[in-house]
Amino acid sequence: DAGVIQSPRHEVTEMGQEVTLRCKPISGHNSLFWYRQTMMRGLELLIYFNNNVPIDDSGMPEDRFSAKMPNASFSTLKIQPSEPRDSAVYFCASSLNPGSNTGELFFGEGSRLTVL
Amino acid sequence: AQKVTQAQTEISVVEKEDVTLDCVYETRDTTYYLFWYKQPPSGELVFLIRRNSFDEQNEISGRYSWNFQKSTSSFNFTITASQVVDSAVYFCAPSPWGGGSNYKLTFGKGTLLTVNP
Repeated sequence: DAGVIQSPRHEVTEMGQEVTLRCKPISGHNSLFWYRQTMMRGLELLIYFNNNVPIDDSGMPEDRFSAKMPNASFSTLKIQPSEPRDSAVYFCASSLNPGSNTGELFFGEGSRLTVL
Repeated sequence: AQKVTQAQTEISVVEKEDVTLDCVYETRDTTYYLFWYKQPPSGELVFLIRRNSFDEQNEISGRYSWNFQKSTSSFNFTITASQVVDSAVYFCAPSPWGGGSNYKLTFGKGTLLTVNP
């Protein structure tokens, strides 16, 4: 079975450029999460979607960040304009309703972003 | 708000040794969940366990065991007879129970476990 699929796996860009990260969740999962991982701050939840609707975006750092989920099988995280401090690994994760079963999140392999 | 402390930044052991990873959490919730995730060198996080705060029974799954002590707010993870494949970063994460917030895991900084042959 396919897991959570993220693209690109690696992205190197220059400051000021637009970056779009993509995620395909596991089929049948109705919850989707974007996390950011840095050495300094660890793993941070950026945004949580349930049934394609953004439920909690309180972790989105600032207006330069935006996320969409136009349908149940696709989500994007966009940074415009990008800055060097956005350099991090961005993870997408999906799950059935978090309170159900084990509440397990299934993570993608991450997109490593470097902003020069 | 919840907080978690994984005081051990790095641990190095020799294969077949037992190793315990510590997790201490803070929460104002009376009921909550506790999770452990593993992040191997490949990068993706892998779910290991979820416990409910009202269930203090220790859990064993193969070489893995978890000791939950609500009185000391600890949820420690022990690997018995460690193997090189256990080398990874391990994260402890509490989350609220219900109220629409049970998705909100607070990850610790993680413990890097290196198992040497």
